[in-house]
Amino acid sequence: GAVVSQHPSWVICKSGTSVKIECRSLDFQATTMFWYRQFPKQSLMLMATSNEGSKATYEQGVEKDKFLINHASLTLSTLTVTSAHPEDSSFYICSARSGVGATEAFFGQGTRLTVV
Amino acid sequence: KQEVTQIPAALSVPEGENLVLNCSFTDSAIYNLQWFRQDPGKGLTSLLLIQSSQREQTSGRLNASLDKSSGRSTLYIAASQPGDSATYLCATCNQAGTALIFGKGTTLSVSS
Repeated sequence: GAVVSQHPSWVICKSGTSVKIECRSLDFQATTMFWYRQFPKQSLMLMATSNEGSKATYEQGVEKDKFLINHASLTLSTLTVTSAHPEDSSFYICSARSGVGATEAFFGQGTRLTVV
Repeated sequence: KQEVTQIPAALSVPEGENLVLNCSFTDSAIYNLQWFRQDPGKGLTSLLLIQSSQREQTSGRLNASLDKSSGRSTLYIAASQPGDSATYLCATCNQAGTALIFGKGTTLSVSS
């Protein structure tokens, strides 16, 4: 299947700092990528839909100024958690579909963010 | 709003057993349904994708069925192995190109 690479796989940062997470489609172009967040023992919850060349679409309750998404190319989307706080500690994971009309979703390895 | 439920939340079986994981969804107008495997602290591995027009998909020891009208899907694992221990997630896609809606998963433990 198609490969989605996410980096870093884990990060520990101090409260108040910003963290950038990268999501790359390695062997296909993705006009749309999705960012999810998963808290312990919970399901994946969609945060935002990242569209190449345009603004991201955020789900209700997700602060767009706190979670900055940039999708500058067809193979890269970034999520920046700005002014991170301990409550932002979570598992962040991105997803993409391999091409126009493709239906199967592929996921990155996820990023474990711990804010201390 | 689509809601996806997975039962049971956790399951422990001895090696060699055949088992069934259940997934139900409230809105039957789905585009497709996908089953994933997630190992602790890791990302998701796609197992099976069932289009809305299909009734089942098979891959090795895995078989997934879909009954849209009743809002249900099952994942059947034959001859379970310790390496099958993981969390299994079910997710629906309600429109082409949109994000997936996930259940909370079933955590499977297979003992040798």
